[in-house]
Amino acid sequence: EAGVTQSPTHLIKTRGQQATLRCSPISGHTSVYWYQQALGLGLQFLLWYDEGEERNRGNFPPRFSGRQFPNYSSELNVNALELEDSALYLCASSLEGGLRNEQYFGPGTRLTVT
Amino acid sequence: GDSVTQMEGPVTLSEEAFLTINCTYTATGYPSLFWYVQYPGEGLQLLLKATKADDKGSNKGFEATYRKETTSFHLEKGSVQVSDSAVYFCALIGVSSGSARQLTFGSGTQLTVLP
Repeated sequence: EAGVTQSPTHLIKTRGQQATLRCSPISGHTSVYWYQQALGLGLQFLLWYDEGEERNRGNFPPRFSGRQFPNYSSELNVNALELEDSALYLCASSLEGGLRNEQYFGPGTRLTVT
Repeated sequence: GDSVTQMEGPVTLSEEAFLTINCTYTATGYPSLFWYVQYPGEGLQLLLKATKADDKGSNKGFEATYRKETTSFHLEKGSVQVSDSAVYFCALIGVSSGSARQLTFGSGTQLTVLP
């Protein structure tokens, strides 16, 4: 069974540009989560999507947004990129967004903002 | 809000040594508790979990017991191998509506095992 996949692996952008990151969940999983792993800041929750709807949002500005498609894949968009957005962005998926359901992570997208 | 405090690293051990990585948490009710591992250049892998008090999660020789009385979930392994070298993260999913489904992570502990 294929795991969570993310694309691209690496992304280099200039400050002020927009970045789009993509995630495909494990087959049968309907919930997708996004996390940011920035140097010195640890792992922080960004967004949770379930059944096409945004269910929860972490403490990030509105220029971080996303969506979930009917096939449950997801996209994370970061507008007006800033240098501090440079980080590893991890996507995870789980079954039905249940409280006890473990989340499985993809390999991540390394975003570098210059 | 919810929080996880992890033992500061880095930790360096010789092969076959005993490993303990301490983890304590602050959360209301009975959160679900997890250990994830991150190998160099990779994403996170779920190592083990426990969802209620006194549950013991185990996998690949690693164990952790959910201790409600001490709000702890310490990771242990009796004999580490060089291949266990990685960063280990303790995490929880809280039960309050404000933390719905999000993982709250500790700061991570870098483990290096020397041959």
